[in-house]
Amino acid sequence: GAVVSQHPSWVICKSGTSVKIECRSLDFQATTMFWYRQFPKQSLMLMATSNEGSKATYEQGVEKDKFLINHASLTLSTLTVTSAHPEDSSFYICSAPPGGTGINYGYTFGSGTRLTVV
Amino acid sequence: GENVEQHPSTLSVQEGDSAVIKCTYSDSASNYFPWYKQELGKRPQLIIDIRSNVGEKKDQRIAVTLNKTAKHFSLHITETQPEDSAVYFCAASRTYGNKLVFGAGTILRVKS
Repeated sequence: GAVVSQHPSWVICKSGTSVKIECRSLDFQATTMFWYRQFPKQSLMLMATSNEGSKATYEQGVEKDKFLINHASLTLSTLTVTSAHPEDSSFYICSAPPGGTGINYGYTFGSGTRLTVV
Repeated sequence: GENVEQHPSTLSVQEGDSAVIKCTYSDSASNYFPWYKQELGKRPQLIIDIRSNVGEKKDQRIAVTLNKTAKHFSLHITETQPEDSAVYFCAASRTYGNKLVFGAGTILRVKS
């Protein structure tokens, strides 16, 4: 089946620094990647949708300059949290939609990244 | 945009009993409704899904029903087991492959 590899699985960073989270589709090509944020005991909230070769689409209320999303290739999408603050501490998870190229694998989620800003 | 409401927020059942979780959605154009199980710190796992051209779907102990007119869908788990304890999320999408909008989640506790 399809696998999306997400790294790092957890990261602790100092307030004011930037953190990059990567999601790679290992055995299929993902032209689109959904990025979600999940605060403790809460739901998955869609932040943005990245598209290979074009600008990401951000959900209302999500700061584009703070959460930089890049879809560099058909197998790599990245989320960079810039100038991180403690309130950005959360569980970030990516998801590739079904379809990919040729084979329908269903929605495939990364394993998530636990970000803690101190 | 789409809004998905999920109830209850927590549900405790005795092992062997049934559990029902309900969701309503706002966008009448939505036509794909999956249910996910998520354990702490892990990725969501699809347990069952249904599309708008179907009213009910069953997979062993798990079933989902959809009422398009009322814009609600439900998850039914029969003969619950302790390993069913987790957080369950419903979601909706306009089409299969589009972004998923998730409900708030239900913490299911199965007591043995």
